[in-house]
Amino acid sequence: NAGVTQTPKFQVLKTGQSMTLQCAQDMNHEYMSWYRQDPGMGLRLIHYSVGAGITDQGEVPNGYNVSRSTTEDFPLRLLSAAPSQTSVYFCASSYATGYSYEQYFGPGTRLTVT
Amino acid sequence: QQPVQSPQAVILREGEDAVINCSSSKALYSVHWYRQKHGEAPVFLMILLKGGEQKGHEKISASFNEKKQQSSLYLTASQLSYSGTYFCGGDTGRRALTFGSGTRLQVQP
Repeated sequence: NAGVTQTPKFQVLKTGQSMTLQCAQDMNHEYMSWYRQDPGMGLRLIHYSVGAGITDQGEVPNGYNVSRSTTEDFPLRLLSAAPSQTSVYFCASSYATGYSYEQYFGPGTRLTVT
Repeated sequence: QQPVQSPQAVILREGEDAVINCSSSKALYSVHWYRQKHGEAPVFLMILLKGGEQKGHEKISASFNEKKQQSSLYLTASQLSYSGTYFCGGDTGRRALTFGSGTRLQVQP
């Protein structure tokens, strides 16, 4: 199993540009989430999904869209990049038995917006 | 609102013990603990469920006081490999986590 994969690993955008961060998992996990981590800070939840076709907002959803058309993929779209979105973005997935689960994180995408 | 972690940073000598605390203002179904090394993704350590069940790392233990919505992570006989930033994450029922701001742990020889 490849686990959770994220592409690209690094990206530089200009203000106003849009792009999609890709996230895929091959573990048949129901639950997937996107987090951002600013330098020296904790992880903040952007959006999450409890299954294909179902997504919801986390704590910091503004400026981001998600969709979940398949179990495997959970792309994150930046609509119009701003310098405040410079961060490391982590995707995570899990399979829960009730509320017992372990989140598996991808390696992250380092995004710089100039 | 994010869980509050304390201390923000701690320096230990190998073999010493440490406790990291996490407090939530919201009722949690579970508390998760992760460790992150510099430049890497967070790695799961432990989950504590409402009702007392817990699963995780062999050499690291934790507790969850449901009445106070407080969790503590106990690192005993610390090793150099324990160095990193520790995060607690709370699940309010979404099966997604709200993380604390982290505790930076440095273990010195």
